Amino acid sequence: DAGITQSPRHKVTETGTPVTLRCHQTENHRYMYWYRQDPGHGLRLIHYSYGVKDTDKGEVSDGYSVSRSKTEDFLLTLESATSSQTSVYFCAISENGLGKGEQFFGPGTRLTVL
Amino acid sequence: SQQGEEDPQALSIQEGENATMNCSYKTSINNLQWYRQNSGRGLVHLILIRSNEREKHSGRLRVTLDTSKKSSSLLITASRAADTASYFCATDAGGGSRLTFGEGTQLTVNP
Repeated sequence: DAGITQSPRHKVTETGTPVTLRCHQTENHRYMYWYRQDPGHGLRLIHYSYGVKDTDKGEVSDGYSVSRSKTEDFLLTLESATSSQTSVYFCAISENGLGKGEQFFGPGTRLTVL
Repeated sequence: SQQGEEDPQALSIQEGENATMNCSYKTSINNLQWYRQNSGRGLVHLILIRSNEREKHSGRLRVTLDTSKKSSSLLITASRAADTASYFCATDAGGGSRLTFGEGTQLTVNP
């Protein structure tokens, strides 16, 4: 696997609580992405980053925020978790931006919001 | 709606047989990618085919692209039980836009 780790790998939380997921890479790739995967929807892009402190929204960004203070770390925050945010979250990285080349995926975080 | 849509949703074959999965998309693309996902794991990149390419091979994988029909196919020859996984196509709509994934084809290869 490419050097991508996600933490935590599993989390159960309650509606209304804040949650932060971490993605850490050792590949020094410029681009980082957060996706969610749900049955019937495939993978959907939440937010992405094209450099330190440079981020932009994906197609399902409502209810999520991100931060990237270092090249290697990309954080996804659910300010107030809702049951609709129960999902598997994947981080990905790439050398080239957006659709221009292959993306390398982390192992995923399974989040359950009760 | 998804840019890429795979067909069939599920495919079950015997070891040694070939598996063909199809992907259709809606808008012009710069490239199309195929990924594999084993149960409980992240996606793994298999192959990228550019819009000016018609066919590409990688080991037992053969990918075709027909931009006039906005479709692609992934052929896995001489399948193995270890090929059991979900397969996704992903397209970029050009101009530096994001990758859009389909919902995947679940392939089961029976020993």
